[in-house]
Amino acid sequence: QVQLAESGGDLVKPGGSLRLSCVASGFTFSDHFLSWVRQAPGQAPEWLSYISTSGNTIYYSDSVKGRFTTSRDNARNSLFLEMTSLRADDTAIYYCARELRHYSGLSKVFYMDVWGKGTMVTVSS
Amino acid sequence: DIQMTQSPSSLSASIGDRVTITCRASQNIGSYVQWYQQKPGRAPALIIYAASNLQSRVPSRFSGGGSGTDFSLTISNLQLEDFATYYCHQTYTTPRTFGQGTKLEI
Repeated sequence: QVQLAESGGDLVKPGGSLRLSCVASGFTFSDHFLSWVRQAPGQAPEWLSYISTSGNTIYYSDSVKGRFTTSRDNARNSLFLEMTSLRADDTAIYYCARELRHYSGLSKVFYMDVWGKGTMVTVSS
Repeated sequence: DIQMTQSPSSLSASIGDRVTITCRASQNIGSYVQWYQQKPGRAPALIIYAASNLQSRVPSRFSGGGSGTDFSLTISNLQLEDFATYYCHQTYTTPRTFGQGTKLEI
């Protein structure tokens, strides 16, 4: 069974740092791109970052670029999100998600098919 | 950034109804659209990928359509378990963006 499990969420003060982990099981981890998505209370999800299979290609949203770092350890089936300079508006549930690709003609559509249950990050003094 | 505008933001319906939720992209994004269902306290769950492809084990009463800038999610013969919030999501380019959500209420 394909599963993703996030951990590391906590209450942290503004300006602080936190490292989130996501451990995968039930599939060949190294074959898949992975993403981080967060969702503030009562809001729509917000995509944050994705990382390629090797970790050589990483994209970030502008809201976290320069503050958050995504990495992966394929030997440990693990994805990480290093968060620094945390602000109150970073308060959210953080999800990791597996990416699949769908080929249609010349198009290659990436999409997130399986998500973890999420881990809560609260930034408050 | 590509804006994804969903409508309506909320929708009241009854068991057995047929409902359609729409999503408009601010530019042509081909078929790079997914639809997710989210229930309170749960992570979003994939329903439709690449605009019209039904995710495995999702009931056939769900269907997706559209391409370019206009997309739709239709649920036929609404069941109690379908009452949730639905989001469209584009993966045409980064930053990937979500619609603001449609809350489907009984």
